[in-house]
Parts: sequence; C-alpha cells; structure tokens
Amino acid sequence: DTGVSQDPRHKITKRGQNVTFRCDPISEHNRLYWYRQTLGQGPEFLTYFQNEAQLEKSRLLSDRFSAERPKGSFSTLEIQRTEQGDSAMYLCASVPGQGNTEAFFGQGTRLTVV
Amino acid sequence: DQQVKQNSPSLSVQEGRISILNCDYTNSMFDYFLWYKKYPAEGPTFLISISSIKDKNEDGRFTVFLNKSAKHLSLHIVPSQPGDSAVYFCAAGVYGGATNKLIFGTGTLLAVQP
Repeated sequence: DTGVSQDPRHKITKRGQNVTFRCDPISEHNRLYWYRQTLGQGPEFLTYFQNEAQLEKSRLLSDRFSAERPKGSFSTLEIQRTEQGDSAMYLCASVPGQGNTEAFFGQGTRLTVV
Repeated sequence: DQQVKQNSPSLSVQEGRISILNCDYTNSMFDYFLWYKKYPAEGPTFLISISSIKDKNEDGRFTVFLNKSAKHLSLHIVPSQPGDSAVYFCAAGVYGGATNKLIFGTGTLLAVQP
C-alpha cells in the first residue's frame, strides 16, 4: 500500500496522559499536513511541514501539542496532558510538492480522552 | 469565521437521479477548490478539483461548477449510486500561498436511496 499511513487507528487514553501519533506520508511527497476533525465539523488545519521544516502552526495547536518530522520522512504528533476536548479524529495528509493542490489523506487516528 | 460553508447538513436522493451539493465561500483570495468524500472512520478521499480560472470541471459522473462572482461552487453527481452515500466536504485554498493549507466546510451527508 503506497498511501498515507497513520498509526494507531484508535487510541483511548485517560485525561492527563500523553499520547503520540505517527504518520507515514507517500514517499515522494515533501509536504505534510496535520488536521483535526471533530463531530459535525470539517477537518481543521493544525500544522504544516515542508520536508523537515515546520512552517506553520495553527492557533488551535496549544503548547501541549508538538509535531516533528525528522529527516523529512514520517511525522509524529504528540499531545501532552490530554484533555477531554482533545477527543477528535487526527488526520495526516501529504502533497507531492509545490504546484500541486490535491492532498492525500490517511485514514486518521481516532483519539478518545476519558 | 467560517470561510467555507456548506449550508445543507444532509441530502437524500433516489438512485439514478442527480445529486447537487452546494458550497459557498467568503474569502476572495481562494483560487482553487476541491471536493472530498468521506466514509465513517476513514480519511477524506479526493474526488475532483477546480481552479478559479475555470467555471466547470468534469470527471466521469462528477462535475464541479464554480461561480466566482457569487463565491459559490457545486458538485453534481449523475447518475447517483448507493455507493455514493457518504459525507462530502468542500475545501478551498490559495495556490502559491506559503502553506497551501485547505479550509474545509462542515460537510453534507448524502444518502442515495436504492
């Protein structure tokens, strides 16, 4: 399968715990995005990487959130001290490069904070 | 502020008939638009896109129309099939922007009745 891969697919955690999600983009894509989707809403932009550089972070991304993309390959999104309001579907998307507009999404990680 | 709006939360259509999904936007800087289809517990799947230099783009059963003066676009599905039943998201972006992030609407749930 050469699509965008996300792991885990589902995560249930207790409030206050830390969680980390992984995204493996399509291998030749140098642009990577994280989005968050809550019930009844469309995906909302969280952060963007071009290769290993994090070029934009949404104000939705509080200090408890951190994202990395070492070596410009896979990316991780960590949430520290989770809150119930963090419960959502976290989506990763990759795009081939400048001049392309179509984002390819992974299947998402469903986070439930109890 | 909701820059991309899908005012119909749901739509029900008979198999074989036309489905028309609508989307409005407020930001005149948007110059490309995409439609994504999403099944439950999966990530969005790209359907079709259109650049602001065009007013129509067609791909098989799917056609997207863009009315820039009205800041309105629509997705037509003809003929509709039961497998088209899903949530459809409209998304918009600024080509050549720093991030090319997408702004999504809230989605329309399409139900195609056999």
